[in-house]
Amino acid sequence: GNSVTQMEGPVTLSEEAFLTINCTYTATGYPSLFWYVQYPGEGLQLLLKATKADDKGSNKGFEATYRKETTSFHLEKGSVQVSDSAVYFCALIFSGANSKLTFGKGITLSVRP
Amino acid sequence: DTGVSQDPRHKITKRGQNVTFRCDPISEHNRLYWYRQTLGQGPEFLTYFQNEAQLEKSRLLSDRFSAERPKGSFSTLEIQRTEQGDSAMYLCASSRGLAGPQGEQYFGPGTRLTVT
Repeated sequence: GNSVTQMEGPVTLSEEAFLTINCTYTATGYPSLFWYVQYPGEGLQLLLKATKADDKGSNKGFEATYRKETTSFHLEKGSVQVSDSAVYFCALIFSGANSKLTFGKGITLSVRP
Repeated sequence: DTGVSQDPRHKITKRGQNVTFRCDPISEHNRLYWYRQTLGQGPEFLTYFQNEAQLEKSRLLSDRFSAERPKGSFSTLEIQRTEQGDSAMYLCASSRGLAGPQGEQYFGPGTRLTVT
């Protein structure tokens, strides 16, 4: 079946540090890939997405590139802020009848001032 | 968009009781999804509706769980004879009815269920 694997957390960084959160997937075919973010006390929000190989999704300074050859979708940000502290989920979806999301376990990011 | 809303936000119940949760999707969205999220895990798919039709149910959805979406608007998720293992965050999401990956899912804030 389809699955998403995220690096183990939590991750703690100082403000303005570089962030990389790894995500790899296993799927038959070519899914669309997403990063969702969950801020404390809030619901899941779509952060960025990529729908085909070599696409780069970007939003709020975050970027991720769909790498078909390594089945990866790593999230990066050049300079994190305290306000980026949240839980980050990588997910995949296939087009088709049900379009259900398959999520990774999530990783908690804490950014220190 | 007023967003996806869920009610209640928190529910504490005793084992063996029945509970019902409600989800109101974004008004023009015809797809509605239920997911369950336990501590330290990502959300897991439970079931999904296209308008009023329930098109898929996960094996996670035991026969104690039932979901409805009358008239294709709001949805309810009922859990009968709750067990401690049902304690989780129940998330609702909605999307436009596109078959492809562009049908972004918008999530509600969730209902946190605690079974004592």
